[in-house]
Amino acid sequence: KQEVTQIPAALSVPEGENLVLNCSFTDSAIYNLQWFRQDPGKGLTSLLLIQSSQREQTSGRLNASLDKSSGRSTLYIAASQPGDSATYLCAVFSGNTPLVFGKGTRLSVIA
Amino acid sequence: GAVVSQHPSWVICKSGTSVKIECRSLDFQATTMFWYRQFPKQSLMLMATSNEGSKATYEQGVEKDKFLINHASLTLSTLTVTSAHPEDSSFYICSARDDRVGNTIYFGEGSWLTVV
Repeated sequence: KQEVTQIPAALSVPEGENLVLNCSFTDSAIYNLQWFRQDPGKGLTSLLLIQSSQREQTSGRLNASLDKSSGRSTLYIAASQPGDSATYLCAVFSGNTPLVFGKGTRLSVIA
Repeated sequence: GAVVSQHPSWVICKSGTSVKIECRSLDFQATTMFWYRQFPKQSLMLMATSNEGSKATYEQGVEKDKFLINHASLTLSTLTVTSAHPEDSSFYICSARDDRVGNTIYFGEGSWLTVV
């Protein structure tokens, strides 16, 4: 059974700092991995999708990497801003199944 | 970009009544949609997988007679909370898997249900 773990559970950083969020999964037979952002009381926004054949994806200040063999993904946020404060969720998709989510990392960027 | 519309965003209902939440994929077809609920400060919990034209698949512990799911078209799935009780108050989120190559999953904005 696929399990997804995210570390740290919470993170507080000063504005401008670069940071890394970690995600690990137990079954490397995945189709793709997605990183999401969730603001309090809101739905999920997809940030980056990495197909199993890819190593990384970039969007603006965000860069996500995927290492299937080790069962790990990282989300790198450059030059963090207060507007980046949210919960970040990683989820893996293993074919014709629902996404399996981690519990998320709550990020606070302090001005 | 692809959008999933969820309606209503907020709903308050009386205990014992039923509430329907809609999930629509606006610019893509979705044979498969998913329904989640989320309690405050907790992760998403998958309730059921909704498949167009067939019965939904419910996760263990989710009452199918209480949470009725209908996926009548490739762009619409509905979740009906029947005989709602205060403990059903929660944040319900749907997602839709794009049938096109890549199978990206998009999420709706969620629906806050408060049962009084």
